[in-house]
Amino acid sequence: QVTLRESGPAVVKPTQTLTLTCTLSGFSLNTPGMCVSWIRQSPGKALEWLARIDWNDDTYYSTSLLTRLTISKDTSENQVVLTLTNLAPVDSATYFCARINYDSHAYAFDYWGQGILVSVSS
Amino acid sequence: QSALTQPASVSASPGQSITISCTGTSSDLGGYNFVSWYHQLPGKAPKLILYDVSKRPSGVSSRFSGSKSGSTASLTISSLQVEDEADYYCSSYTTNRTWVFGGGTKLTVL
Repeated sequence: QVTLRESGPAVVKPTQTLTLTCTLSGFSLNTPGMCVSWIRQSPGKALEWLARIDWNDDTYYSTSLLTRLTISKDTSENQVVLTLTNLAPVDSATYFCARINYDSHAYAFDYWGQGILVSVSS
Repeated sequence: QSALTQPASVSASPGQSITISCTGTSSDLGGYNFVSWYHQLPGKAPKLILYDVSKRPSGVSSRFSGSKSGSTASLTISSLQVEDEADYYCSSYTTNRTWVFGGGTKLTVL
């Protein structure tokens, strides 16, 4: 059974760095064709794609957030970590991690975590 | 990368059909057939309902269908049911090797 679970702080202060962890179960990021993305959704707003990491460690970022984002993976722990620097209130959102499996559903996000709500507030 | 354009809301009665459009550019929708659609209930994670424009994942009802022409994709839901009421998002892979989502469409089943 494939699951993803986000974890991290619920509240972060402005200018601080946010670190979120996505713990994977039921599949491995060592498997060719697997990748994980982070996607966020501000309250009442649309989804916004942030970053992706592939099984071969290739990484890709939203052009608008490129300078503030880092995505990495810890294969031994089967986790994906996202960091977002220099936080501002506009970064308050629910952050989701989601899987892409090129071998089954191509370029679509076939499994999602439940999301973690992060508020940026002093 | 600008968001894909979707109507903010659509509404219809049970049993009817609706179509939600999703318009992009040659850098995303127009350049690839990697269009996917998601269904989201309040407070929940999105759920994949279509990928590669018109393919349904296992377990998704055949009442959901998709198409694409040029830089516009469409999601059609036939024989609407009350439980179809949700937000719907389109998404496309882009030439930057990133993804872009639509602004979302709220479907109301009257």
